[in-house]
Amino acid sequence: EIVLTQSPTTMAASPGEKVTITCRASSSIHFMYWYQQMSDASPKLWIHDTSKLASGVPDRFSGSGSGTSYSLTINTMEAEDAATYYCQQCCNNPPTFGSGTKLEIK
Amino acid sequence: QVQLTETGPDLVQLTQTLSITCTVSGFSLTSYNIQWVRQPPGKGLEWMGAMWSGGGTAYNSAFTSRLRISRDTSKSQVFLKMNSLQTDDSAKYFCARHWGPFDYWGQGVVVTVSS
Repeated sequence: EIVLTQSPTTMAASPGEKVTITCRASSSIHFMYWYQQMSDASPKLWIHDTSKLASGVPDRFSGSGSGTSYSLTINTMEAEDAATYYCQQCCNNPPTFGSGTKLEIK
Repeated sequence: QVQLTETGPDLVQLTQTLSITCTVSGFSLTSYNIQWVRQPPGKGLEWMGAMWSGGGTAYNSAFTSRLRISRDTSKSQVFLKMNSLQTDDSAKYFCARHWGPFDYWGQGVVVTVSS
């Protein structure tokens, strides 16, 4: 099973600040997916195939990485971006999720 | 449009069996996989198992002995059944459509295991 280690666990950012969340895989993977989850809501696909934004996701978001190291970046933090973000790998069974990063607005 | 809706009990007694139905619309179960994921209160996402579009299944080894996933394609429904429930099985249970990522999720059903 591939273990995904996400960091940080929690963070707070001011409006306009650049935010980076990282996800490290225990073995090399081909793609990383990212989900956004608001309180009490279902997760939403946010980034797929490492760097492709899901429909409706603002272009201040980006994803990058390869091998065992991946990241989600918000170029300029906005209040509506406060949520928990999870990385996920699907290519190697079983699918696994990172433990999540709770992002708050300062 | 694509929709997934989970239905099931909100309360299950200790050691009893949990049954949740995922009803889908806007796509065919024979074209997409369905995944089950759960989330304990205040915690992260845990993959439970899958119903493949071809009818096969896969399970998280943590649940293999007590989890069964099945489907009725004529009703566009996928079923999760898990027995011997314990208090740490209290969680929100989601079904999700899977083609690479999990691109659509149901709203989830909150299940509390009561002693």
